[in-house]
Amino acid sequence: DAGVTQSPTHLIKTRGQHVTLRCSPISGHKSVSWYQQVLGQGPQFIFQYYEKEERGRGNFPDRFSARQFPNYSSELNVNALLLGDSALYLCASSLEASGGAPDTQYFGPGTRLTVL
Amino acid sequence: AQSVTQPDIHITVSEGASLELRCNYSYGATPYLFWYVQSPGQGLQLLLKYFSGDTLVQGIKGFEAEFKRSQSSFNLRKPSVHWSDAAEYFCAVGGGGNKLTFGTGTQLKVEL
Repeated sequence: DAGVTQSPTHLIKTRGQHVTLRCSPISGHKSVSWYQQVLGQGPQFIFQYYEKEERGRGNFPDRFSARQFPNYSSELNVNALLLGDSALYLCASSLEASGGAPDTQYFGPGTRLTVL
Repeated sequence: AQSVTQPDIHITVSEGASLELRCNYSYGATPYLFWYVQSPGQGLQLLLKYFSGDTLVQGIKGFEAEFKRSQSSFNLRKPSVHWSDAAEYFCAVGGGGNKLTFGTGTQLKVEL
């Protein structure tokens, strides 16, 4: 079975532009989470979606938004890009969106965003 | 708020030597703990996780980790390191739901 896929692999934008990143979860997985990994740091949680509804949000500005589609794929949108948004954006999928113990998350290879 | 500290930014070991990567967490309730590995250009791969029960957990690739509540630690170990283990290792804590809080990672270099 295919794992989590993300597109594009790499992206270069300039400050002030908008970007859309895409994620396709593992077949059968209904939950998608997004993480930002700045160079030299661990991933930071941005959003979780389950059944098209937002289930969690990290400490990121409103310039960051996401949505999940009926086929469970997801988009992460970032408006008014800043230099500090340069990072690896990781998508993770899981079967469910547990309210208790976390469901095992499977990560995609990420999208490398560079903001100039 | 939950947090994770990985005190060692870089560690170098010889192939065949034993390995221990340190992880300390801060969380008010029973934590859910994870170790992930990230190779260059790759996403994160789950090595093992601890939710409850036996405090020594076995994972993939010969890794194990021990949960010590009194020390708020969840150290990762491997008895004999292989050159292919060179990668970055992340400890993470979850407090319910799918949100994970990661440490800053430990870069492992293996000398042949």
